[in-house]
Amino acid sequence: EAAVTQSPRNKVAVTGGKVTLSCNQTNNHNNMYWYRQDTGHGLRLIHYSYGAGSTEKGDIPDGYKASRPSQENFSLILELATPSQTSVYFCASGDWGMDTQYFGPGTRLLVL
Amino acid sequence: TQTVSQSDAHVTVFEGDSVELRCNYSYGGSIYLSWYIQHHGRGLQFLLKYYSGNPVVQGVNGFEAEFSKSDSSFHLRKASVHWSDSAVYFCAVSSNTGANTGKLTFGHGTILRVHP
Repeated sequence: EAAVTQSPRNKVAVTGGKVTLSCNQTNNHNNMYWYRQDTGHGLRLIHYSYGAGSTEKGDIPDGYKASRPSQENFSLILELATPSQTSVYFCASGDWGMDTQYFGPGTRLLVL
Repeated sequence: TQTVSQSDAHVTVFEGDSVELRCNYSYGGSIYLSWYIQHHGRGLQFLLKYYSGNPVVQGVNGFEAEFSKSDSSFHLRKASVHWSDSAVYFCAVSSNTGANTGKLTFGHGTILRVHP
């Protein structure tokens, strides 16, 4: 069964609204990551975490917050969603070797 | 700063053909190089990786990749493709030292289309 799951799979939000994307992993990995995927940009790292209670800024953190309340869960929060945040968001987990990551199925977010 | 370049945005071949997907990187330290595959509407799946040792590494489903330090390359190859290999392929680099520890940097991806 899938080791990294994301919810919701699809989301329509309004500009200025709050959006929370959730990720759960059963790999018992310390590290978790949030990426967004846009045509022409590949995958870009938004936030990541080395373990429960930690969050780190990735390459494009502006407009996003992250929360890692437990080993298994990692959330991405858009406090004030904007149309430029329309994208596909992927969560991933990885072990301390850090050379292999395991991805969830993605969340398609549309901000109107 | 580590960067990854995949020079071909699209590659189209016929079933049974061989294929090479190109990846070049820039980074001065010790790095991991890897390839991931993404089927339409799905998340990325790990294919193979290189860190040290034999520069040719084998992955799943007949894929292999060859590391070249002199060319700063890590090209992915398959001798005989199947239509189910149609997907987007991402090259990625990561490091276990410095500010980039634990972070993957991806190329923009190469769309492989295999005609039956």
